[in-house]
This record gives sequence, C-alpha cells and structure tokens, in this order.
Amino acid sequence: GDSVTQKEGLVTLTEGLPVMLNCTYQTIYSNAFLFWYVHYLNESPRLLLKSSTDNKRTEHQGFHATLHKSSSSFHLQKSSAQLSDSALYYCALTWGNTGKLIFGLGTTLQVQP
Amino acid sequence: GALVYQYPRRTICKSGTSMRMECQAVGFQATSVAWYRQSPQKTFELIALSTVNSAIKYEQNFTQEKFPISHPNLSFSSMTVLNAYLEDRGLYLCGASWVQDTQYFGPGTRLLVL
Repeated sequence: GDSVTQKEGLVTLTEGLPVMLNCTYQTIYSNAFLFWYVHYLNESPRLLLKSSTDNKRTEHQGFHATLHKSSSSFHLQKSSAQLSDSALYYCALTWGNTGKLIFGLGTTLQVQP
Repeated sequence: GALVYQYPRRTICKSGTSMRMECQAVGFQATSVAWYRQSPQKTFELIALSTVNSAIKYEQNFTQEKFPISHPNLSFSSMTVLNAYLEDRGLYLCGASWVQDTQYFGPGTRLLVL
C-alpha cells in the first residue's frame, strides 16, 4: 500500500549546522504530491513545502526539498539550523484528487545552542 | 490567509459517552474536509474525507456509526466520537482544502477518555 517513511524519530544538532530530514515514500500512482508540514506544540501543523514535479527544487523560509521519483525521496534540507527550527516535521503523500494525506511518523528536530 | 479553527482544543469524557468536535475554515471555501486521529505514539491516521456534493468516505477501521460527520457548508464541519473508549483518545485534526492537493490544518482537539 501507499506509505511514507521517516527513518529518524529524533534529530539533534547544533545551531548553524546543516539540516537534513529524510523522507521516502511508496505509491503506485505517478501523480503523487509530497509535502512537508512543520508542527509546533499546541499549534496547527503548517505547510512548509510541497512538490509534484520530478527533480525540481522547491524552497520556502530557508528550507528546500527536491522530489526524486527515481528514488522515491523528498528529503528536507536547510543550510543552517536555527533554534526556532526546533519542532516536529511530518512528510506526507497524496495523489491525484483523492484529498487523502498519508503521513510519516514524523521527525523531531532539536536545535541546540 | 487560510485559517482553520477547531473547538474544543481539549476535552475529557467518560468512557462510553460521546463527544462532538468542530472545525471552521476562515478565509477560504473548504470544499473538502478530512478528519485525522493521532493516537499516542502514532502518526496521523485518516478517519474520513468529506467533499461537498459527494458522500463522506470513511477509511478502513472507521465507520459512520462510530464517527458521524457533518459538512453542511463550505466553512464548517463537525465530527462526533460516539461511545468513546480508551482507544479513542488522541489528537483529532481537521484538514480543510479548496485545492485538492493542499490541506490546511487546525490545531486539533485533544480527547482524553476516563
């Protein structure tokens, strides 16, 4: 079935270092959309990035990700982590016009001074 | 901008009782509303998807008899958890969209069952 894998449950790093959160997915559908949501405690999950175009980099608020259909990946990256980036990050998948989102387990990013 | 509100933010109910939660979209027309549950130590799991002018589609393991949903207009949806038990506890998220590929989420309703 369709699924999203985020292999890291927790990523801890020092402020200023680069961030990379892994996301791979599995789907039989070629028209897949991939998303990254950021979830701060007691707030709404907020859309960070989305893409459906193969090999095209998408950027927002310093974060970027490139959908690679050949490897079924959509890793989230940032060149320099900030303390305010500490949050829970979800990778999610949808396809066509289903309106259904399949979420990964989430990765908690902890940025330390 | 697109905002989604959920009410209540947190609630406690006794085992076997029912609890209704609401979702309101502001700034856009929510042609589709999806309800998710995040049980402890798990990710968000789709309960059902409601699209205006279409029947509500429930996912496997979720039924209308247990989680009845109302989506009367393009800004409001509600869901009830009937006969709530311990396994129903968790964070219930509402995701509203007017473009099928992008959902905007509310902060969730956290349900505790005693």
